[in-house]
Amino acid sequence: DIQMTQSPSSLSASVGDRVTITCQASQDIRNNLNWYQEKPGKAPKLLIYDASNLKTGVPSRFSGGGSGTDFSFTISSLQPEDIATYSCQQSDNLPFTFGQGTKLEIK
Amino acid sequence: EVQVVESGGGLVKPGGSLRLSCVTSGSSFTGAWMSWVRQAPGKGLEWVGRILSKAGGETREYAAPVKGRFSISRDDSKATVYLQMNSLETEDTAIYYCATHRTAGTFDPWGQGTLVTVSS
Repeated sequence: DIQMTQSPSSLSASVGDRVTITCQASQDIRNNLNWYQEKPGKAPKLLIYDASNLKTGVPSRFSGGGSGTDFSFTISSLQPEDIATYSCQQSDNLPFTFGQGTKLEIK
Repeated sequence: EVQVVESGGGLVKPGGSLRLSCVTSGSSFTGAWMSWVRQAPGKGLEWVGRILSKAGGETREYAAPVKGRFSISRDDSKATVYLQMNSLETEDTAIYYCATHRTAGTFDPWGQGTLVTVSS
């Protein structure tokens, strides 16, 4: 199975800050990497697919990058509504695997 | 807008069985591939398994921890996918999400989940 190592596991930042989360795959997954936003009691939401493609309707302050084994997810200017857990997921090989998640809090 | 709604969660004893349902609306279900993903308390998301469309032979694939115990099926006439869970273990306690496949390995949209608790 492909292991996805996400860091940090938690992050505290101020409104307006630039926030970056990284995700490392245990083997080359090309650009087959997705990012999701999770909020308690709500359906997880796809934000970024194929490493860098912003899903339609998702605010442009969210972005993703990388390929191969190293990926990043950035919020350019943190907003209060961005408080959530963010998870990466590789879609290159079965079984699909996720990072352990990054819990984002407002400082 | 596509909507996904899970149901059927609850409390079950170890060794017991439970069947979850997932109804979709707002788009054609017939061609959709569907997955189940779970999240145990304090843990990350874990893919459970998927079922392809009828055109894909309704092929089913499962994660190792559930293979042989869990089974996914679908009823296109009801736009519903099911997760039959047998021989449940305490480690199966989790919120179970149903998700439509945007592509072969990308999940969008998801449902809000249904909680399964396995405890004596």
